[in-house]
Amino acid sequence: DGGITQSPKYLFRKEGQNVTLSCEQNLNHDAMYWYRQDPGQGLRLIYYSQIVNDFQKGDIAEGYSVSREKKESFPLTVTSAQKNPTAFYLCASSMGEFNQPQHFGDGTRLSIL
Amino acid sequence: AQSVAQPEDQVNVAEGNPLTVKCTYSVSGNPYLFWYVQYPNRGLQFLLKYITGDNLVKGSYGFEAEFNKSQTSFHLKKPSALVSDSALYFCAVRPNTDKLIFGTGTRLQVFP
Repeated sequence: DGGITQSPKYLFRKEGQNVTLSCEQNLNHDAMYWYRQDPGQGLRLIYYSQIVNDFQKGDIAEGYSVSREKKESFPLTVTSAQKNPTAFYLCASSMGEFNQPQHFGDGTRLSIL
Repeated sequence: AQSVAQPEDQVNVAEGNPLTVKCTYSVSGNPYLFWYVQYPNRGLQFLLKYITGDNLVKGSYGFEAEFNKSQTSFHLKKPSALVSDSALYFCAVRPNTDKLIFGTGTRLQVFP
């Protein structure tokens, strides 16, 4: 089955620690996205990539970093500079055309120890 | 600023009754419009989209949405609600850019 796999499902971060969230897709999609979901705020875009080896900042990129070395993979690193990282993180992918829907993984819930 | 509004945080409906979840938007041009559903601790699932053409769009699980250009609205509807439809629903709008703008979500509660 084609889809998007996010791991781990739950993740805990200590103060001053960087953590990396994994996102892998086998849909052969060109574009990939990272969103942060907080209660009552909907989804906010962190970073997105429309092609391998290229990515752009979204609306809340501070304290986060990404890479896109392979078409199927788009890992997100939450750095120690992100002071309020507790949230539900969602990865998505799409064909890239504006009229195509985004397909989502099942998320990673990050909490602070 | 471009935005999407879902004016109701929660919608309650009895099973078997029709349901409507409202969405209005404020963006330039002719955007593409989407509805997604989210179940607890899961990602978003695509329900339907409006690109062009007929103002009534049919989607998954018996849902449909009505596009109204003059009112800049894209309300989600279903003729007969099921308890299993209880979930969080997101409206999303994509102007002719590479970003999708989401509403804040509406929680649908269907009572037996």
